[in-house]
Order: sequence, then C-alpha cells, then structure tokens
Amino acid sequence: GDSVTQMEGPVTLSEEAFLTINCTYTATGYPSLFWYVQYPGEGLQLLLKATKADDKGSNKGFEATYRKETTSFHLEKGSVQVSDSAVYFCALSEGGYIPTFGRGTSLIVHP
Amino acid sequence: NAGVTQTPKFQVLKTGQSMTLQCAQDMNHNSMYWYRQDPGMGLRLIYYSASEGTTDKGEVPNGYNVSRLNKREFSLRLESAAPSQTSVYFCASTPRVSSYEQYFGPGTRLTVT
Repeated sequence: GDSVTQMEGPVTLSEEAFLTINCTYTATGYPSLFWYVQYPGEGLQLLLKATKADDKGSNKGFEATYRKETTSFHLEKGSVQVSDSAVYFCALSEGGYIPTFGRGTSLIVHP
Repeated sequence: NAGVTQTPKFQVLKTGQSMTLQCAQDMNHNSMYWYRQDPGMGLRLIYYSASEGTTDKGEVPNGYNVSRLNKREFSLRLESAAPSQTSVYFCASTPRVSSYEQYFGPGTRLTVT
C-alpha cells in the first residue's frame, strides 16, 4: 500500500539557518503530495501541496518540489524563524482518497 | 467561523470507564474523520464518515465506535477505555471524501490510567 517516510527528528536549528526535511513516498500511481504543519497545542493545517510531477508547492517561505524520479517531496526553507518551531507532516493522497500521513518531524528553532 | 471544534480538550479516565469525544464543524462539509496521534506513529485513521448517515472503519478501529449525529457532528466513543488508548485524538473534515485538504480540530488529549 501507499506509504510516506520522513526523516526522524527532532531537527534543531538556529534562527536564519537553512531547513530541509526529507520525505519520500511509495505509491502505485501518481499521488498528490502535501506538507501539513502542527504548531504546539493545535491541530494540523495544510502548509503546501503539489498535485503532479515537477510541481512546486510554496507557502510562508517554505517550498517543496514533487520529484517523481526520486519519489521525493522534501520541504525546504531558506531562513527559519523561532515561530517555525512545529511538527511537520508529509502526506500523500492517491486518486483523491483519504491522505496517508508520515510520522512527523519535529523542528526546534533556537534564537 | 469556528471551523472544527472538539470537546473536551483534556480527559483522564480509569481503565474500563467510557466516554464520548465530541466534534463539530461549521463549514458545511460532507466528510468527517477521527484520527489518533501517538509519538513516533504519526496520524492513524480510526473511523471516517463520507457523508451524513454513513461511517467506515479506518486503520485502527478496534475499541472505538462512532456516530454521525447530523451533518455537523461526528462523535467518537470509547466503551471500555484501555491504557493503549492513551493518545491525542483529532477530528477533521473535508467538503467531500475526495477533497485534498483536511481541516483539523485542536485535539483532545486523553490519558487512561
């Protein structure tokens, strides 16, 4: 079945550092890919999405590119802030079905 | 708009006790979902309701029951709580089951002792 694998956390960075959180997936077809973010004490919210190969999703300075050849959707941000501290979930949806979520990666940004 | 609301925010139960987690959405969405979130396990789907009057099992339904009371409300019931059900429970909704973006509530933190 479909699955999503994310890098283990926590990822700890200083403010203004470059962020990469790796995500790879397994799917039988051509899924849509998502990144969700969960701030402390809150539910998940959609951060960005890409629905076909080579699409780049972007929001709030975060970007991720749908790479079919490497089955990856890595999340990047050029300069993180303390307010970016959260848990990030990669997810996929195939054929419009209910998303499959990764295990989440915790990001801690220090001033 | 409140979006998706959940009650209670926190709950402590003893083993064997029962309780119902409530969820409501005001976005006129057709589909609603219950997930549990455990450390290192991510989100796992317990049950979902594609539309009013229908419910289906997800990945981890054992020990739970659900009721889609009306279009707005979707409750999750633990009939006899077990320590393994200690978790954070999230309710979510979408316009329809094929919609990409899920809208989540703030969660209920449940501890079973």
